[in-house]
Amino acid sequence: EIVMTQSPATLSVSPGEGATLSCRASQSVSRNLAWYQQKPGRAPRLLIYGASTRATGIPARFSGSGSGKEFTLTISSLQSEDFAVYYCQQYNNWPPWPFGQGTKVEIK
Amino acid sequence: EVQLVESGGGLVQSGGSLRLSCAASGFTFSSYAMSWVRQAPGKGLECVAAISGSGGSTFYADSVKGRFTISRDNSKNTLYLQMNSLRAEDTALYYCTKAIVVVVAASYFEYWGQGTLVTVPS
Repeated sequence: EIVMTQSPATLSVSPGEGATLSCRASQSVSRNLAWYQQKPGRAPRLLIYGASTRATGIPARFSGSGSGKEFTLTISSLQSEDFAVYYCQQYNNWPPWPFGQGTKVEIK
Repeated sequence: EVQLVESGGGLVQSGGSLRLSCAASGFTFSSYAMSWVRQAPGKGLECVAAISGSGGSTFYADSVKGRFTISRDNSKNTLYLQMNSLRAEDTALYYCTKAIVVVVAASYFEYWGQGTLVTVPS
């Protein structure tokens, strides 16, 4: 089973600054990688699929990159509503479609 | 607009049973696989069960295999999760999710419901 590892666990960022989140797969998942955002008390929301395609309604300040085993989610100029937990998930080798453990982006 | 509305959660004693439901709208329900993804308090996300659009193919995580049963009624646009022999470690928020394909296959979770809480005291 593929293991997804996210880093860092917590990222402290000032509003207006950028943030870079990493996700690593234990084996290649091609570009079959999704990112989700979860705000406190809310369900996760799909941000990115296919490693770099933004889901409907997702602002352009969110961008994804990578392939194979290494992936990055970049948030340029963080807004107050972007402080949340972010999860990556692979869907290349299934089941069970594992998620990473999450990265919390908090206000510095 | 896609909507997924879960219900059926609650407090149940260890060894007890519960049935979760998810009412779907805004898309052709039978054309998409569906899944239940759970999140224990303060923890990450785990897909525990998935079902194809026809209902003919299912998947279960090892943690629930033999205890949980996923099913769907395409005439009612409703997804179910029958949970038996519940344990304290099943305590979680259970989300209903929609896949992007009809089969249980390579897919991300495109839409999520708001979740229903299942609590099994230890």
